[in-house]
Amino acid sequence: GQNIDQPTEMTATEGAIVQINCTYQTSGFNGLFWYQQHAGEAPTFLSYNVLDGLEEKGRFSSFLSRSKGYSYLLLKELQMKDSASYLCAVRDMNTDKLIFGTGTRLQVFP
Amino acid sequence: GAVVSQHPSRVICKSGTSVKIECRSLDFQATTMFWYRQFPKQSLMLMATSNEGSKATYEQGVEKDKFLINHASLTLSTLTVTSAHPEDSSFYICSARDLGRNGYTFGSGTRLTVV
Repeated sequence: GQNIDQPTEMTATEGAIVQINCTYQTSGFNGLFWYQQHAGEAPTFLSYNVLDGLEEKGRFSSFLSRSKGYSYLLLKELQMKDSASYLCAVRDMNTDKLIFGTGTRLQVFP
Repeated sequence: GAVVSQHPSRVICKSGTSVKIECRSLDFQATTMFWYRQFPKQSLMLMATSNEGSKATYEQGVEKDKFLINHASLTLSTLTVTSAHPEDSSFYICSARDLGRNGYTFGSGTRLTVV
């Protein structure tokens, strides 16, 4: 089975840096995705990690350690529009299912 | 880019009636479609996986007779909530496996309210 955990809520200040952690326990791992979701909307793809290390994409970076079952999403130069939920999701190698973590609601204050 | 069109975006129905939600992949063939449900302030919970031309597989605890899934073509999957009750009120989202782009494309979601 899958067990994917994230902090429920986080707050940060505009212009700052925030790190959102995700830990997972899976029976068959084939990559980890990060999505952003605003209330009432579909998730938007942010990043994908399948190998260990850091993937950087503009203000967003994602890190993966498969041996530790750990990932984080790093958001730099925070903007008010970054207030949203951030979801990590693990792909199951056998079924291709994308299983979502508990989600982290991030609120950015001026 | 890949697009999945999901309809309706919002629906209000009376308790006891059935509601059909459609997801169409517009520019790619979706052999696999995933259906999720999301309650307020919660994450996406996988309900079922549908594969074109075969029966859907349901996650533990999801009633297959209540949530009917049909994946009759490579571009269309439907979810029918039968005999809806207020506790079925939720946000339903489909996600198509896009093999060409090694990713997943989400529909825009359907807000179902059962009164």
